[in-house]
Amino acid sequence: GENVEQHPSTLSVQEGDSAVIKCTYSDSASNYFPWYKQELGKRPQLIIDIRSNVGEKKDQRIAVTLNKTAKHFSLHITETQPEDSAVYFCAASKDGNNRLAFGKGNQVVVIP
Amino acid sequence: NAGVTQTPKFQVLKTGQSMTLQCAQDMNHEYMSWYRQDPGMGLRLIHYSVGAGITDQGEVPNGYNVSRSTTEDFPLRLLSAAPSQTSVYFCASSAQEYGELFFGEGSRLTVL
Repeated sequence: GENVEQHPSTLSVQEGDSAVIKCTYSDSASNYFPWYKQELGKRPQLIIDIRSNVGEKKDQRIAVTLNKTAKHFSLHITETQPEDSAVYFCAASKDGNNRLAFGKGNQVVVIP
Repeated sequence: NAGVTQTPKFQVLKTGQSMTLQCAQDMNHEYMSWYRQDPGMGLRLIHYSVGAGITDQGEVPNGYNVSRSTTEDFPLRLLSAAPSQTSVYFCASSAQEYGELFFGEGSRLTVL
């Protein structure tokens, strides 16, 4: 099955700086790549997603880039704020039907 | 509009006991799924459904059963609980084949 890996496992950034989290996937047939944010004790929530026919997508301070050749995609958060502190999960899917393979998560800590 | 509702929120079982985690959504979503979340392991798909009467196995289905008799409900049954099933369980629903997963608040299960 699909194998999704995230790096780094923990990332600390100063407030106002940018954060970048990278994910790699194993199955070249994967065509949907979402990112979920999970605050402590809360449910995961979608923050951005991208389909394989698009190389980059932005939503305010958040962007995702996809490199299909290298089989990796990255989450970019600019002008980080304390409320960005959370665990971020990337995922990949080739089958649709919401059969997502998740990475193990990245802990992002924004230092005020 | 309650979204995705899971019950119970907390449960303690003894090894060998059976139980059902309930999941209901009021958004008329066709796609529903169950994930388990363990520390450092991300989210792993247990079972999923693409509509009433249709279910299939995910990545870690052993020890769990599901059924989907209505669009709204997708219960997860633990047949004979084992300590390895101690986890946080999330139910999710989606309106699209490739689209946002709406998660419930989670059910924390401890098997002694």
